[in-house]
Amino acid sequence: AQKVTQAQTEISVVEKEDVTLDCVYETRDTTYYLFWYKQPPSGELVFLIRRNSFDEQNEISGRYSWNFQKSTSSFNFTITASQVVDSAVYFCALSEAGAGGGADGLTFGKGTHLIIQP
Amino acid sequence: DSGVTQTPKHLITATGQRVTLRCSPRSGDLSVYWYQQSLDQGLQFLIQYYNGEERAKGNILERFSAQQFPDLHSELNLSSLELGDSALYFCASSVSSGDSTDTQYFGPGTRLTVL
Repeated sequence: AQKVTQAQTEISVVEKEDVTLDCVYETRDTTYYLFWYKQPPSGELVFLIRRNSFDEQNEISGRYSWNFQKSTSSFNFTITASQVVDSAVYFCALSEAGAGGGADGLTFGKGTHLIIQP
Repeated sequence: DSGVTQTPKHLITATGQRVTLRCSPRSGDLSVYWYQQSLDQGLQFLIQYYNGEERAKGNILERFSAQQFPDLHSELNLSSLELGDSALYFCASSVSSGDSTDTQYFGPGTRLTVL
């Protein structure tokens, strides 16, 4: 069965610090997709990134970067020069695309509450 | 704004009652997913519809049901409500491939409070 673990329940840093959110996943499929979502205090879930299991290239989008390592089953998320507006709960999620066709919804981690202090 | 709409935003009701949550997917998306977010269970997948037909079931209780209409909007029906059903219910939609590996865009959620 698939599983996503976000071991960091809460992280608090001072503005402008870099911060990395960890995500470790478990799956038996060779084809799968990984996602990160942001949930700000307003409550909505905002899509950040989708990555398939065959693409291990790291990705950078502005101050955000993602490090995907199949060898350690990790998909970590780094925010560089953090800002107060980055304060939110961040979720890592997994979807398998195996024999079942991926029709099982997303499996989410418990989330990491990121607090950026001014 | 993801383009997914959900109504109502808040819902307060009593135990034993029945409620209906409504979702309109993004224009062009054929798949609709329902998720429940609670403090103890986290974010859990409930059910998926694709082009009007049930595609997958997750941890959905028998007291809950859903459907997707010809205009692709979806409704989640919750009946015989219990205190433990209090949660944030999200709808998400994705493009037409019919499986959950597509990017799912989430609506703002409906916060259900059962008293």
